[in-house]
Amino acid sequence: DAKTTQPNSMESNEEEPVHLPCNHSTISGTDYIHWYRQLPSQGPEYVIHGLTSNVNNRMASLAIAEDRKSSTLILHRATLRDAAVYYCILRPYGGATNKLIFGTGTLLAVQP
Amino acid sequence: DTEVTQTPKHLVMGMTNKKSLKCEQHMGHRAMYWYKQKAKKPPELMFVYSYEKLSINESVPSRFSPECPNSSLLNLHLHALQPEDSALYLCASSQDQGAPRGFRYGYTFGSGTRLTVV
Repeated sequence: DAKTTQPNSMESNEEEPVHLPCNHSTISGTDYIHWYRQLPSQGPEYVIHGLTSNVNNRMASLAIAEDRKSSTLILHRATLRDAAVYYCILRPYGGATNKLIFGTGTLLAVQP
Repeated sequence: DTEVTQTPKHLVMGMTNKKSLKCEQHMGHRAMYWYKQKAKKPPELMFVYSYEKLSINESVPSRFSPECPNSSLLNLHLHALQPEDSALYLCASSQDQGAPRGFRYGYTFGSGTRLTVV
């Protein structure tokens, strides 16, 4: 499984944008980039995913580098409720080996 | 209904006990998963069911026995566990494990069962 590298922790101020980076230099052409987050005492929550183009949804935006070796999850205005561990995951497309494998993630702290 | 429901939320069991964890979803998802999460660690995949058949077992010890009685239910039977098996056990579901249509969607996780083995 291709690996991802994320900073262990980041801090942000409330109502400011947050850019969470992820490096995945060994990504293959069929790997989708998924982001999940886990709030304290809860199960992980799907945030967003993409393949090549930038993606937006109500929760966040995903910016994918042209060479796909890195990506950035963008929270446009951080709130206290966004404090969580954010996981960047490569999910290979298709087949019996298609499974979601979590790396260590980035612990995001949001200051009021 | 867009949730995965896990019961019980907390469980304390002795090393000689037999217990079961239950997971239920009514989203029509055909793939279901068990993960184990130790404190301050990422979730680790244990089992994958696809269309009620076990498709992936990540070399999990036999004291953990999964069961998928129907497309909405997933159980994890526990027997002769060790204290180091204490963890948060998470269930998840997804539209489909591998088909192109299902792949566009993420996994939905439950809140987990916090298991303590004494």
